[in-house]
Amino acid sequence: SQQGEEDPQALSIQEGENATMNCSYKTSINNLQWYRQNSGRGLVHLILIRSNEREKHSGRLRVTLDTSKKSSSLLITASRAADTASYFCATDAYNRGSTLGRLYFGRGTQLTVWP
Amino acid sequence: DGGITQSPKYLFRKEGQNVTLSCEQNLNHDAMYWYRQDPGQGLRLIYYSQIVNDFQKGDIAEGYSVSREKKESFPLTVTSAQKNPTAFYLCASSILGDGLLHFGNGTRLTVT
Repeated sequence: SQQGEEDPQALSIQEGENATMNCSYKTSINNLQWYRQNSGRGLVHLILIRSNEREKHSGRLRVTLDTSKKSSSLLITASRAADTASYFCATDAYNRGSTLGRLYFGRGTQLTVWP
Repeated sequence: DGGITQSPKYLFRKEGQNVTLSCEQNLNHDAMYWYRQDPGQGLRLIYYSQIVNDFQKGDIAEGYSVSREKKESFPLTVTSAQKNPTAFYLCASSILGDGLLHFGNGTRLTVT
C-alpha cells in the first residue's frame, strides 16, 4: 500500500506553541499534500510539495520532504485555537504517461490547541 | 462562489435499501472522486471519473455504483450489497492531472 501514515495520532498543545506532525509513506511519489479537516466537514487543501522540493512555506505552515526517508513533516507555528482539526497527508500515484492522479490518505493527526 | 455541494448532510436508511448520495460541482473540473471515511481511518477511494460517461473503480468499489452523465454531477449509489454502509462519504473534484482535491462537506449515512 502507498498509504501515508501520520504520527502522532493525537497532539494537544497550548496556543502560541508550535505543532509538528509527521507523515511516512511507502513508495515513490511525485508529490505529497497536506489537508485539514474540521470535525464533520470536508477536507481543505493546505499545501503541496513536489518530490524535487525539500521545504515549502505557506503563512504559518512549513512542510519538509525527505524522499530518501520517505517522510514529510508539517509544522504549524504560533498555533491558535482555530487550528484545532485533523490533519492528513496524501500521496499521489501517477502512472507513467498518464494524467491520472489518485491520492492515498493516512489516518490523520488530531490536533487540539487549547486557549 | 464555486464549490462542491453534497446533499443531504445526514441520511438514514433501513438495511436492504439502496440510497443515492448527490454531488454537484461548479468548478468546471473534469475529475471527480468519491471517498469513504470511517472513524479513526483515512479516506478510502470508492470510484473516480476523469470525463463524462467514464469512471473507474477505486479501492473499495464493491457494493457501490456511480454515474457521470454530466460534467457537474457524480452521484453515488450505496446498494444493499454493501455490507457495512454506515460511514461519512466525501465527494471531491480536481483539474485533470492537477491532483489537488477540492472536497464537499460530506454526507453522513446511517443504515440500521
